[in-house]
Amino acid sequence: QSALTQPASVSGSPGQSITISCTGTSSDVGGYNYVSWYQHHPGKAPKLMIYDVSKRPSGVSNRFSGSKSGNTASLTISGLQAEDEADYYCSSYTSSSTPFGTGTKVTVL
Amino acid sequence: EVQLVESGGGLVQPGRSLRLSCTASGFTFGDYAMSWFRQAPGKGLEWVGFIRSKAYGGTTEYAASVKGRFTISRDDSKSIAYLQMNSLKTEDTAVYYCTRAPQRVFFDYWGQGTLVTVSS
Repeated sequence: QSALTQPASVSGSPGQSITISCTGTSSDVGGYNYVSWYQHHPGKAPKLMIYDVSKRPSGVSNRFSGSKSGNTASLTISGLQAEDEADYYCSSYTSSSTPFGTGTKVTVL
Repeated sequence: EVQLVESGGGLVQPGRSLRLSCTASGFTFGDYAMSWFRQAPGKGLEWVGFIRSKAYGGTTEYAASVKGRFTISRDDSKSIAYLQMNSLKTEDTAVYYCTRAPQRVFFDYWGQGTLVTVSS
């Protein structure tokens, strides 16, 4: 199972909005409404930010939103804050595995 | 508060075995599936495997890269999930994370990870 494709890095200024893409195939991202997104500050435990494409777990800021079109899912962070600087990974369900994205480093300028 | 604490990592020679433990608290462990992930140095997160709750048969699934070498098990009486790693390779060097998996579609709580280094 190949990894899902994400841009290596995305940056933005405080207060701006950024979007991270996650491209897969019809066998993963395009085939199921089961895309999730994780925030990972190095050295810490990863944190679930979005599940089932667009649902936010309790306690996650509404500045984070998810969507999907065809084989590409997206995570949008609005009102960018310094604390959002981290690595972000997407993931999708498939019938045989759980592929993760290549990861995107978000930098707050 | 949900907590997951991994232990058992360390330095091991290629071809040897190691067992990791994930001790859970703050929720009814037996009601949930559990999963293991890893992150090799400088690389992204990789799903390793998954074990369902006893209610769903306690069955397991594995990534192709570890199938036949790694085994996930659970002891619900102790709230512990295990990752038995055999025939270790240098490419298995990584930080290993334990996660709670309400379903295999997402993973809502993660431990801090334990480092496994496979080297001679």
